This record gives sequence, C-alpha cells and structure tokens, in this order.
Amino acid sequence: AQTVTQSQPEMSVQEAETVTLSCTYDTSESDYYLFWYKQPPSRQMILVIRQEAYKQQNATENRFSVNFQKAAKSFSLKISDSQLGDAAMYFCALGGTSYGKLTFGQGTILTVHP
Amino acid sequence: DVKVTQSSRYLVKRTGEKVFLECVQDMDHENMFWYRQDPGLGLRLIYFSYDVKMKEKGDIPEGYSVSREKKERFSLILESASTNQTSMYLCASSLFPEVTGESGEETQYFGPGTRLLVL
Repeated sequence: AQTVTQSQPEMSVQEAETVTLSCTYDTSESDYYLFWYKQPPSRQMILVIRQEAYKQQNATENRFSVNFQKAAKSFSLKISDSQLGDAAMYFCALGGTSYGKLTFGQGTILTVHP
Repeated sequence: DVKVTQSSRYLVKRTGEKVFLECVQDMDHENMFWYRQDPGLGLRLIYFSYDVKMKEKGDIPEGYSVSREKKERFSLILESASTNQTSMYLCASSLFPEVTGESGEETQYFGPGTRLLVL
C-alpha cells in the first residue's frame, strides 16, 4: 500500500518570502511519480509540479521547485517570492504504474500575508 | 487545455435519496476517477475507470457505484444517500496508461468539485 504524509496542516509566509512545504511518502514500487497540486479557495485543483522518480534532477516550474530525496522518501515543495495568489490548499500526491491512481496527502493550507 | 466539468457545484439531498453526480471530460482521456475530499483526510479514491464500461474499486467504494457508458462521461451514484456521505466530490481524468513516451501523460486533471450535503 502507498502512503503520503503531509505533517504541516497549516503554513504561513510573508509576501515575497520563501516557504517550504513538506511531504513524505512510502511505496514498494520502483517506478512512480510525485505531484504537488494546488487548490485555491472555491476553485479547481490544478497541477503545480511533477517529478518522475527515475529522474535525479529536481523539477522546477518558475517560482516552484521540489527537493526530491528518493532514499529518504521525501518530496518537499519550495515556493520562492511568494505571492498573494499562492494562498491555497496544497496536496502532495504519489502515483504508481497501476492505471495512474494517485494517493494524496492530507493537505497543507498556505496563507500568504501581505 | 483539458476541461473536466461536473454537473453541480452544490447539491442538497435527503437521507435515502438516490444521488447522481456526473463528470464529463473533453480530452479523450482513458482514465477517469472519483475522489471524495474531507478535512484532514485529503482526497480518497472511491472508484476509477480505465475504459468504457470498465471500473475498479478504489479505497472507499462502500455505498457508491459508478457508470461509464461513454468514454467522456463518468457518473458516481449514491444508491441511498446517508449523512456520512456529506463531502466534496472531485472527478479527475488522465491519459495514462496509454503511454507513448510523452512526459505528463500520467497527470490527472480535476473538475471543480461538487459539494454534497445530505440531510
């Protein structure tokens, strides 16, 4: 069975500062994918960033980057130059090779202070 | 852009009613998924479908059934709604497992969600 744990129910950051959201996971599969999804208040869930487990290089998407530590089974999200629009619930998710099913963490609510 | 739509944003039903939640995607995706989202529990998979008329149970299928008669449409059915089914329901779709080697095929795209209240 796959598990994903987000140990930070809530985080806050000042506008323009950097924040890191934590995620740990467990899986017995050797081939898998990791994702961070963002769910703004009352809005649709959207993909922030994805990482293939076989790639050693950490994924980056503009101000968003990950720190993927495969041996430690850790997948943290770093948001640089935080903006008010980054305020949302963030979910870490793990996907294997079985029809692309995802296992989600509990979510972290990020508040951005002006 | 992929578009996933759900039939209702908000729904109020009474205990014992039969409830239908509809999801439609416009990208010819093979896979479709139904999740429920509850505070502190994240998203949990109810059912998924990897082809028309094909379905598999997820982690919490009890009290639910699904139907996929057409590739673009995936319905979640609550046969007899109960108060513990009050939740946010999210539909998603993905291209996987039609892997052609292109990066990102496994990414799931979500609908806006249906917030269901069962009284």
